[in-house]
Amino acid sequence: LAKTTQPISMDSYEGQEVNITCSHNNIATNDYITWYQQFPSQGPRFIIQGYKTKVTNEVASLFIPADRKSSTLSLPRVSLSDTAVYYCLVGDGSNDYKLSFGAGTTVTVRA
Amino acid sequence: DAGVIQSPRHEVTEMGQEVTLRCKPISGHDYLFWYRQTMMRGLELLIYFNNNVPIDDSGMPEDRFSAKMPNASFSTLKIQPSEPRDSAVYFCASSATFASRQETQYFGPGTRLLVL
Repeated sequence: LAKTTQPISMDSYEGQEVNITCSHNNIATNDYITWYQQFPSQGPRFIIQGYKTKVTNEVASLFIPADRKSSTLSLPRVSLSDTAVYYCLVGDGSNDYKLSFGAGTTVTVRA
Repeated sequence: DAGVIQSPRHEVTEMGQEVTLRCKPISGHDYLFWYRQTMMRGLELLIYFNNNVPIDDSGMPEDRFSAKMPNASFSTLKIQPSEPRDSAVYFCASSATFASRQETQYFGPGTRLLVL
């Protein structure tokens, strides 16, 4: 399974854009990149997934360069309610569901 | 859909007692996962099932832990005997049949276990 590296924490202010970069140098050809969000006292929640280029949904955007060795989760105009832990996962799930959540990135949004 | 349902939401017990955590996955999902989350170790996968069959239990910490899935709509995680170091939040998650390689896991609200 591809190992991922992401910052432990990030601070931001309301209204700013938050970009979290995840490194996955040994990503395999069939691997997808998935991001989960976890609020305090809740289970993780899927927010976005991509394979290459750019993916956008109502919550976030995911930018994946051509070499796919990293990816950046972009949260536009964050609010206090976006304070959470964000996990980057890499895998195709075809043979092994051992997706490692790692420590994630704790994003703290301040007023 | 009600999502993944877990019970109880909170459990306080004494060392040596048996603890049973319950999970009802989302209807139609073929995969069920049990995770444990602590501050020290983060979110760890304990075991997962596919079509009610345990596929990988290598994450189960020791023989005191056991999990069953008697049918597609119910699973249990049992700890016997419980120890203070088992205190954690236990999450159950489910996902649909792996088809398009874009299946995501849906997590329940978790059971917060405290063993005194």
